[in-house]
Amino acid sequence: DAMVIQNPRYQVTQFGKPVTLSCSQTLNHNVMYWYQQKSSQAPKLLFHYYDKDFNNEADTPDNFQSRRPNTSFCFLDIRSPGLGDAAMYLCATSRSAGTGGDIQYFGAGTRLSVL
Amino acid sequence: GQNIDQPTEMTATEGAIVQINCTYQTSGFNGLFWYQQHAGEAPTFLSYNVLDGLEEKGRFSSFLSRSKGYSYLLLKELQMKDSASYLCAPRDSNYQLIWGAGTKLIIKP
Repeated sequence: DAMVIQNPRYQVTQFGKPVTLSCSQTLNHNVMYWYQQKSSQAPKLLFHYYDKDFNNEADTPDNFQSRRPNTSFCFLDIRSPGLGDAAMYLCATSRSAGTGGDIQYFGAGTRLSVL
Repeated sequence: GQNIDQPTEMTATEGAIVQINCTYQTSGFNGLFWYQQHAGEAPTFLSYNVLDGLEEKGRFSSFLSRSKGYSYLLLKELQMKDSASYLCAPRDSNYQLIWGAGTKLIIKP
């Protein structure tokens, strides 16, 4: 089945220790998104790639970086995690950047804990 | 600014019908999505409306009124597995999804 896969499902890191979350997709979609979601809050878009074109949200902290080495993979790097970065991180894909009824398909998410 | 307003929590009975309302203010409008999110899991797509009116898909229906900035999700024949959060997400003029915090729906036997 075509899908969006996130690894790991749960990640524990220490305050200030860099961490990388990964996402892969078999949908061959052009667009990949990274969201941060805290409990009972709306998902917050951090950035997205349209193919190799990187789009950063204005309020995404510099502490968050992303890489997309090819169509299938996208990584979220948190350079120096703080306690406030503990959240669920969701990766999503869509065929295009929103024309028509383009649906975003989500991976199962990575829950990050910062000790 | 852009704003989504949904009730924080609703309770309904198994087998009944529930309507979850969403009002929105966005910079431009390019359709509205509803997603379902079970606790600790990722959102899954339920419905999409771009024109005014009702879209029906099995037990779920979604309604849109663009002039009122209003949508609702109607769930019929509620089942225990429908206990989840339901997120309303209109898309703005830049085709960005603007997410609401969601409505937590609790189904009681």
